[in-house]
Amino acid sequence: GAVVSQHPSWVICKSGTSVKIECRSLDFQATTMFWYRQFPKQSLMLMATSNEGSKATYEQGVEKDKFLINHASLTLSTLTVTSAHPEDSSFYICSALQSLYSNQPQHFGDGTRLSIL
Amino acid sequence: SQELEQSPQSLIVQEGKNLTINCTSSKTLYGLYWYKQKYGEGLIFLMMLQKGGEEKSHEKITAKLDEKKQQSSLHITASQPSHAGIYLCGADKPRHPGAQKLVFGQGTRLTINP
Repeated sequence: GAVVSQHPSWVICKSGTSVKIECRSLDFQATTMFWYRQFPKQSLMLMATSNEGSKATYEQGVEKDKFLINHASLTLSTLTVTSAHPEDSSFYICSALQSLYSNQPQHFGDGTRLSIL
Repeated sequence: SQELEQSPQSLIVQEGKNLTINCTSSKTLYGLYWYKQKYGEGLIFLMMLQKGGEEKSHEKITAKLDEKKQQSSLHITASQPSHAGIYLCGADKPRHPGAQKLVFGQGTRLTINP
């Protein structure tokens, strides 16, 4: 159980385009989903927290107009990197949590490797 | 802000040997999570610790949280090739206890030699 699917797993696109990444919880409903970013040989950095039906909460230093997050349902959250540039190239990972303030951990997707040319 | 420091940064162990990875926090930990990541892939949940002195085991992996809740260790007994990967400790941000807004350590890269 607790499977999180992330799509696409790899995307290459030209500078200036927008890229959408999907994160789905397949066998549970996720009240909260998280988006992380990971640079090569570095750890994960939390970008934002999204709750179903409400606006995402962004961490300090993360541009909300650059990284649009939509949590439309209890099983789907999307991250759109708008007007992507080479410095946005990174590994993006989502995670899903069934219930906050519980004893349940968040479960992670397999990540999306984004390369901007 | 809270920082998590993992040691060692990398570890090469012969198959069958035991090993320990440490995670030290600059602040008191509310929740401490251990994950394993294969390079370029997602994270696999291993264990969650919340209480001082807590210890949990699953198969050959044991995780402990010290009484002061500022240090955790992950111990692998009789290591196998399947244990190879990057081990990450994560902790709740102090201002958001229980909300699982996690700060992660830099990771420990474990290599198992046959």
